[in-house]
Amino acid sequence: IVLTQSPGTLSLSPGERATLSCRASQSVTSTYLAWYQQKYGQAPRLLIYGASSRATGIPDRFSGSGSGTDFTLTISRLEPEDFAVYYCQQSGSSPPTFGQGTKVEIK
Amino acid sequence: EVQLVETGGGLIQPGGSLRLSCAASGFTVSSNYMSWVRQAPGKGLEWVSFIYSGGSTYYTDSVKGRFTISRDNSRNTLYLQMNSLRAEDTAVYYCARASCTDNICPTHFSYWGQGTLVTVSS
Repeated sequence: IVLTQSPGTLSLSPGERATLSCRASQSVTSTYLAWYQQKYGQAPRLLIYGASSRATGIPDRFSGSGSGTDFTLTISRLEPEDFAVYYCQQSGSSPPTFGQGTKVEIK
Repeated sequence: EVQLVETGGGLIQPGGSLRLSCAASGFTVSSNYMSWVRQAPGKGLEWVSFIYSGGSTYYTDSVKGRFTISRDNSRNTLYLQMNSLRAEDTAVYYCARASCTDNICPTHFSYWGQGTLVTVSS
């Protein structure tokens, strides 16, 4: 399953709302859809699993939604530490695959 | 506290071999779904291999027959033996622990190591 993320880059200011899209080439059961954040030089960090469940310690400004082939990660109010690259990932079909990433940069 | 520490990366010539290690603490490797995920310089994430708690192993097509995932229960350590290395294997290799959702396993990668860089070049 190919995951296509859009936009490639999102230029926003702190305090603004970020909406990131992940579109799958085939339907993905929500259980198998996750989102990660990766800052420069660091390992990825799990944000969302099961399409909408926040991982331990993740602030509630991060939320996930969607079903079928269209999934969304929303950051309600961007904090300075949220500027990073975000990846979606599916494991409903082998092999597990990641989207190409969306970079959220400071405008 | 869950910790994963990868070692073993480095510069290796095409056709060479390398073994990566991932020392785990805070949990038992053999009771979990463990994986290797790689990231080529400036690129996205690519799943490489899984070893399930029951011992079953899985690989992405590009490494089948060249890479072997294994674990040492006494050392609580995960390994990735990489043979016949190619330039396109150049990447940071992350060790990750996968988790379950609603009793379905594995579904996502909940813990990651800091990664180890493998550079395949002459």
